[in-house]
Amino acid sequence: AQKVTQAQTEISVVEKEDVTLDCVYETRDTTYYLFWYKQPPSGELVFLIRRNSFDEQNEISGRYSWNFQKSTSSFNFTITASQVVDSAVYFCALSEASGGSYIPTFGRGTSLIVHP
Amino acid sequence: DAGVTQSPTHLIKTRGQQVTLRCSPKSGHDTVSWYQQALGQGPQFIFQYYEEEERQRGNFPDRFSGHQFPNYSSELNVNALLLGDSALYLCASRPKRFWNTEAFFGQGTRLTVV
Repeated sequence: AQKVTQAQTEISVVEKEDVTLDCVYETRDTTYYLFWYKQPPSGELVFLIRRNSFDEQNEISGRYSWNFQKSTSSFNFTITASQVVDSAVYFCALSEASGGSYIPTFGRGTSLIVHP
Repeated sequence: DAGVTQSPTHLIKTRGQQVTLRCSPKSGHDTVSWYQQALGQGPQFIFQYYEEEERQRGNFPDRFSGHQFPNYSSELNVNALLLGDSALYLCASRPKRFWNTEAFFGQGTRLTVV
C-alpha cells in the first residue's frame, strides 16, 4: 500500500529565510507519480509540481526547487528567500499506476508560517 | 476558464440529518473525485466518478454516496450525519485520458455537524 510521511508538522521561519519541506514515501510500484500541493487559508489545494518515478531530474522554478531521490524515497521541496505569502499548508502526495486509477494518497501536511 | 467550483461554501447540519454537496469540474474534465479533509489532516479519498458511475472508492461507509450527471458535475451525499463527519470536503477533477496528471481542486465545502 502506498504511504506518504511528512514528519514536519509545522515550520516557522522569518521572511527571506530558506526552508525545506520533507516528504518520504512508500510504494511497491515501479511506476508512480509524486506531487506537491499548497493549501492557503482559503482551502483550495493549489498544484505546484508533479514528478514521475522515471524522472529524477531535480527542478528549480523561481524560488521553488524540488529534490527527488529514489534511493531514499524522498521528494523534498525547498523555498528560497521565503515570503509571507508562502504561509500555507503544503501537502506531498503519491499516486501509483497499478490498477490504472492513479488515486493520490496525501501526507498529513506541513504548516509553513513565514513571519515578516 | 472557470476552475472547479463547489457549493455551498459552508454548511451547518444537525447530527442524523442528510446533506448534499455539489461540484462542477473544470472545463474539459470528465472525472470527478471527492475527498474528506479533517482538521489538521491530509485529504482522504472518498470516491471517484466518470461516465456517471462510481469507479473507485476509498474506505468510507455506505452513508457516503454520490452521483455524476451527464454534464460531468457531481454530488456527494452523506446520510445519518455524525459529529465525526465535520470536515472540509474537497472536489477534484481531471481528464480521464490523463489520469497520471495532477488533479484540480475546488475551494471545498466546510461541513459542521452539531
